[in-house]
Amino acid sequence: GAGVSQSPSNKVTEKGKDVELRCDPISGHTALYWYRQSLGQGLEFLIYFQGNSAPDKSGLPSDRFSAERTGGSVSTLTIQRTQQEDSAVYLCASSLAAGANEQYFGPGTRLTVT
Amino acid sequence: AQRVTQPEKLLSVFKGAPVELKCNYSYSGSPELFWYVQYSRQRLQLLLRHISRESIKGFTADLNKGETSFHLKKPFAQEEDSAMYYCALRLTQGGSEKLVFGKGTKLTVNP
Repeated sequence: GAGVSQSPSNKVTEKGKDVELRCDPISGHTALYWYRQSLGQGLEFLIYFQGNSAPDKSGLPSDRFSAERTGGSVSTLTIQRTQQEDSAVYLCASSLAAGANEQYFGPGTRLTVT
Repeated sequence: AQRVTQPEKLLSVFKGAPVELKCNYSYSGSPELFWYVQYSRQRLQLLLRHISRESIKGFTADLNKGETSFHLKKPFAQEEDSAMYYCALRLTQGGSEKLVFGKGTKLTVNP
């Protein structure tokens, strides 16, 4: 079946602009995660959504970052006033439910801030 | 603080040689540990989880609570094992959950 998809695959933006990154989880998966993969920092947790519960935003690095998940499916990660240090690969993952043993990852969006 | 350490950024072995990728963790509770792998130009995917005590693609990993380790081993490496390997600790707390990853080890298996 279809896996987790993300768009765009690559995004180049100028410092100060806003960007939106999209994630389509596997159908039926109630848990959704965003991670950031950057050089030297490895993979860092950003935010977690589970069903209709309030998201865990504890990993968001600043208030310029926000995310939403509409209808329990598609998620959008928004970065406002981008900075060069935001350049990274943003990964989305989904799992069948909270506590499931496997997270399924998307291909990522490579963000470059110039 | 919860932490996963992979001490080797790079590891290079020859085909047919044994390979061990090290992972140490810091966690006060009962850990749930995973190995994820990312092959070139592919997405990150689960390789194995300690709770299943399984062998996948010839790889095994044993949880050693005394040494707080979860090293990944394979007795005879193959060229197709060349990839980036990440050890991860699952944290669940207050209705949330996340994976805490090590910084990864790039394994190269030479012919």
